[in-house]
Amino acid sequence: DAGVIQSPRHEVTEMGQEVTLRCKPISGHNSLFWYRQTMMRGLELLIYFNNNVPIDDSGMPEDRFSAKMPNASFSTLKIQPSEPRDSAVYFCASRVRGGGPDTQYFGPGTRLTVL
Amino acid sequence: DQQVKQNSPSLSVQEGRISILNCDYTNSMFDYFLWYKKYPAEGPTFLISISSIKDKNEDGRFTVFLNKSAKHLSLHIVPSQPGDSAVYFCAASGSRGSTGGFKTIFGAGTRLFVKA
Repeated sequence: DAGVIQSPRHEVTEMGQEVTLRCKPISGHNSLFWYRQTMMRGLELLIYFNNNVPIDDSGMPEDRFSAKMPNASFSTLKIQPSEPRDSAVYFCASRVRGGGPDTQYFGPGTRLTVL
Repeated sequence: DQQVKQNSPSLSVQEGRISILNCDYTNSMFDYFLWYKKYPAEGPTFLISISSIKDKNEDGRFTVFLNKSAKHLSLHIVPSQPGDSAVYFCAASGSRGSTGGFKTIFGAGTRLFVKA
């Protein structure tokens, strides 16, 4: 039973380059979340989707960040242009949105390094 | 403004003793609290949760206590084992908006070291 799948697992890029992170949620889950983990701020929620629709993107730091969910089985987080301060581990998580705050299932993360 | 705070970045405990991880929150609208555990190079995994209508929830060696008046919760691990060494995230959630979507806010995490 596959969990949340993220790709790539590691990404090293140069400042100014476009970066695209990918996520495949667990089949049947209808909520998807993108988080960023840094030493200083821990796990920050960037954006989340319900039924492929963005519900809250207030955590997206700047216009350089964008996220899409074209269908129930795929989402992307794009950074354009990337900057060194974007270096972090980015997690995708999914859950079934039911009558309560059900637990989230996280992917293994993408470690992004912007030089 | 951090709504969920874990003020101890790390904690070291001897194997067999109790580990107590603390968490404070500021938003009284939170009504559900969770603890996640994270090993290196892996994503966080759900550990235990508690609803605001309770003050204690126990699952094996893990117990979460909630003090609503103090806006404080804690995770107790008894007895602690070396395999418990990980980063523990406290999280809080509450209903938000007409869509009923639950937004979960995480703390910065506490790294637990259990020494053999």
